[in-house]
Amino acid sequence: DQQVKQNSPSLSVQKGRISILNCDYTNSMFDYFLWYKKYPAEGPTFLISISSIKDKNEDGRFTVFLNKSAKHLSLHIVPSQPGDSAVYFCAASTAEIGNQFYFGTGTSLTVIP
Amino acid sequence: EADIYQTPRYLVIGTGKKITLECSQTMGHDKMYWYQQDPGMELHLIHYSYGVNSTEKGDLSSESTVSRIRTEHFPLTLESARPSHTSQYLCASSLVYEQYFGPGTRLTVT
Repeated sequence: DQQVKQNSPSLSVQKGRISILNCDYTNSMFDYFLWYKKYPAEGPTFLISISSIKDKNEDGRFTVFLNKSAKHLSLHIVPSQPGDSAVYFCAASTAEIGNQFYFGTGTSLTVIP
Repeated sequence: EADIYQTPRYLVIGTGKKITLECSQTMGHDKMYWYQQDPGMELHLIHYSYGVNSTEKGDLSSESTVSRIRTEHFPLTLESARPSHTSQYLCASSLVYEQYFGPGTRLTVT
């Protein structure tokens, strides 16, 4: 059973607008969450992370929000740029399972120029 | 900047051949991982290692094997390649929580 879910396979946003990518998880033991960006035929690139003791983490244009009660996290990109077009994966981990990482199926973001 | 390398980047090989996918990292990370990923799918963990001489199988059943003789090196071997092994293979390493990926190997078995 998939423990990390990204229910939107794709998202299109106009350049300059906000992109919001969502992720849900089922295992309440997860205590660290990450977002990765992936281009075709390349490995994922780490973007931003958040610990379960926080509800928000910001890094430039990228902000991750964590709602533990809803078991939900989201990645906000503002303003969106054409170079942001890629597949975005969320991932979750906990030391309780030996730091294994569980990934969602990804959301393909297209930023329209 | 993450320093993790994979070779080859692309490989086309016939059924039944033995292949080894190489992965090296220069960050001194103890933990290393191999994932398999197909388009539109999540990354599936096939092997991981917590350090030298430590290897474990992941959630995805795999006919591959790994070894960890040196901290920096974590090769994956397929003894007999099959068309069902066609996929992208991603190697990663981590210190604690943040995981860094190599560029991947795109394997096609004909």
